[in-house]
Amino acid sequence: QQQVKQSPQSLIVQKGGISIINCAYENTAFDYFPWYQQFPGKGPALLIAIRPDVSEKKEGRFTISFNKSAKQFSLHIMDSQPGDSATYFCAARRAGGGADGLTFGKGTHLIIQP
Amino acid sequence: NAGVTQTPKFRVLKTGQSMTLLCAQDMNHEYMYWYRQDPGMGLRLIHYSVGEGTTAKGEVPDGYNVSRLKKQNFLLGLESAAPSQTSVYFCAVMGPNTGELFFGEGSRLTVL
Repeated sequence: QQQVKQSPQSLIVQKGGISIINCAYENTAFDYFPWYQQFPGKGPALLIAIRPDVSEKKEGRFTISFNKSAKQFSLHIMDSQPGDSATYFCAARRAGGGADGLTFGKGTHLIIQP
Repeated sequence: NAGVTQTPKFRVLKTGQSMTLLCAQDMNHEYMYWYRQDPGMGLRLIHYSVGEGTTAKGEVPDGYNVSRLKKQNFLLGLESAAPSQTSVYFCAVMGPNTGELFFGEGSRLTVL
């Protein structure tokens, strides 16, 4: 069963544009929602994360918007740059410490065209 | 991530052969994980460990075994490799307070 659904699978954005990636979850027991960024040949690395008690978190050009009632969250990349080209994964962690790790979406391959 | 080291980085096996992937961490964290990454499938949890001497099954454990004999090492074994196990394998360590996962750089395994 896929508990975190991510879309789109791939995305092409012009330099300077806004990139938007969406995720939806099914398990209301999740309490932590991170986004990971992965460059070719590398492991994923944490980009930004949010907890369900806030609706938005911004770090530089990256913003997470969180809608608890809809069980959806999204990543917005403002002023997208070619260096942002990567694969992005949303994820969720079960409440209670999440010893069983994170549940990941299937990923979005983002290409920023110069 | 310099804190999580995976060996080997690349390996080619024939069907039926066995091998072990090693994950070593210098972060002194308790929780360690093995994920596999396949195109269009995201990252799927194979096994995990919450401390030395303990292991548990994840989402896709079949065909794999693990051991955590020392806190800093987490081993992933394939006893009889199958082509369906061709994948990129990632080890990860969870930070104790933030829940952040720190990943190694991956081990690319091809089973012919």
